[in-house]
Amino acid sequence: KAGVTQTPRYLIKTRGQQVTLSCSPISGHRSVSWYQQTPGQGLQFLFEYFSETQRNKGNFPGRFSGRQFSNSRSEMNVSTLELGDSALYLCASSSGLAGGINNEQFFGPGTRLTVL
Amino acid sequence: AQSVTQPDIHITVSEGASLELRCNYSYGATPYLFWYVQSPGQGLQLLLKYFSGDTLVQGIKGFEAEFKRSQSSFNLRKPSVHWSDAAEYFCAVGHNSGGYQKVTFGTGTKLQVIP
Repeated sequence: KAGVTQTPRYLIKTRGQQVTLSCSPISGHRSVSWYQQTPGQGLQFLFEYFSETQRNKGNFPGRFSGRQFSNSRSEMNVSTLELGDSALYLCASSSGLAGGINNEQFFGPGTRLTVL
Repeated sequence: AQSVTQPDIHITVSEGASLELRCNYSYGATPYLFWYVQSPGQGLQLLLKYFSGDTLVQGIKGFEAEFKRSQSSFNLRKPSVHWSDAAEYFCAVGHNSGGYQKVTFGTGTKLQVIP
């Protein structure tokens, strides 16, 4: 089985722009979660999508949004980029059965976003 | 406040020595507990998890962890470390907050293995 894939792997944007990151989960997985990893704040949970609906969310501002398609692929969008949005964005997939994000999650390699 | 604490930012051990990485949490109920490993340039990989039942949990790569309710701890152990274990280790807690499920990670412990 192919693992979780994320595209692009690296991205450079300037302040004020918006960005869209993509995540393809493991085949058969219906839950996709997004995380932000920075040296200062560590790993932080953004949100989880299951069957095209946001099922859980962390404490990020509305500039961070996402969606999930019928094939379970997910995109995350960040609008009006700030310097502090520079981070490694990780996507994880799981079967999404009872237990939600507390099921075993399989992580992708991440997208490294740099905001200048 | 709810939190996950990994008190050791960096640990160095000799190859073949035993290892214990500490993790403490502060949540009202028994949460879901996880240990993940992140190798340089890699995503996270689940080592083990605890939901309920036997408090000693076996994971992959020879790791184990013990849940101690009285100490609110979930320490990770390995009896003999290999050079390939050098990586960053994250303790994580799954919990409910404001009607949502959330996962909170500790700040991580970087493990260096010396020959």
